[in-house]
Amino acid sequence: QSVLTQPPSVSAAPGQKVTISCSGTSSNIGSRYVSWYQQVPGTAPKLLIYEDDKRFSGISDRFSASKSGTSATLDITGLQTGDEADYYCETWDNSLTGVVFGGGTKLSVL
Amino acid sequence: QEQLVESGGGLVKPGGSLRLSCAASGFTLSDFYMNWVRQAPGKGLEWVSYISNGDSNTIYYADSVRGRFTVSRDYAKNSLYLHMSSLRVEDTAVYSCARDWRHLAMDVWGQGTPVTVSS
Repeated sequence: QSVLTQPPSVSAAPGQKVTISCSGTSSNIGSRYVSWYQQVPGTAPKLLIYEDDKRFSGISDRFSASKSGTSATLDITGLQTGDEADYYCETWDNSLTGVVFGGGTKLSVL
Repeated sequence: QEQLVESGGGLVKPGGSLRLSCAASGFTLSDFYMNWVRQAPGKGLEWVSYISNGDSNTIYYADSVRGRFTVSRDYAKNSLYLHMSSLRVEDTAVYSCARDWRHLAMDVWGQGTPVTVSS
């Protein structure tokens, strides 16, 4: 059971928008920066978002993120088949004194 | 080109030990905090350990490995290591090193080295 809660899967049609949520507590998301990663199976994770809402270098502006209280969200607009991947949120947990990842969300572009 | 390459994985019996290496190129390891992250077959990402940069020796471990795993680095070789002992079946995973770019955003990842713990 992950400290950060993500939906196991989301799906949408090409061109549509999808939102992936990441729920935590005041010990993690509520007090620390959140990062988001994309992982195509069999490849290394790719940093998409850092410091809650900043796009990393070279990341399409179709990817955006926000944070409110103890929850964070990743939005992907104009979905493409190439966006099919697993998405993870990540932050530091003050109580656990360590990095925590969400359980991951599998995005299907139907 | 900034790159991380892991090595040292393999098949080991429960209770055994293994040392993983992570060779950095294209950047200086001492400038960055570094992490080890693992991924069990068909599972999500699990953070393992974090070590600070420079001469600071701040190190953190996940509860699941504390007391059994030890992270170290050799700046002369620009390399990071993970010494794993008392290995358990549940330690079976692909182990990757990742560079902490800022505030725990990991921007450079290796491809990982697989570790299988089985009798």
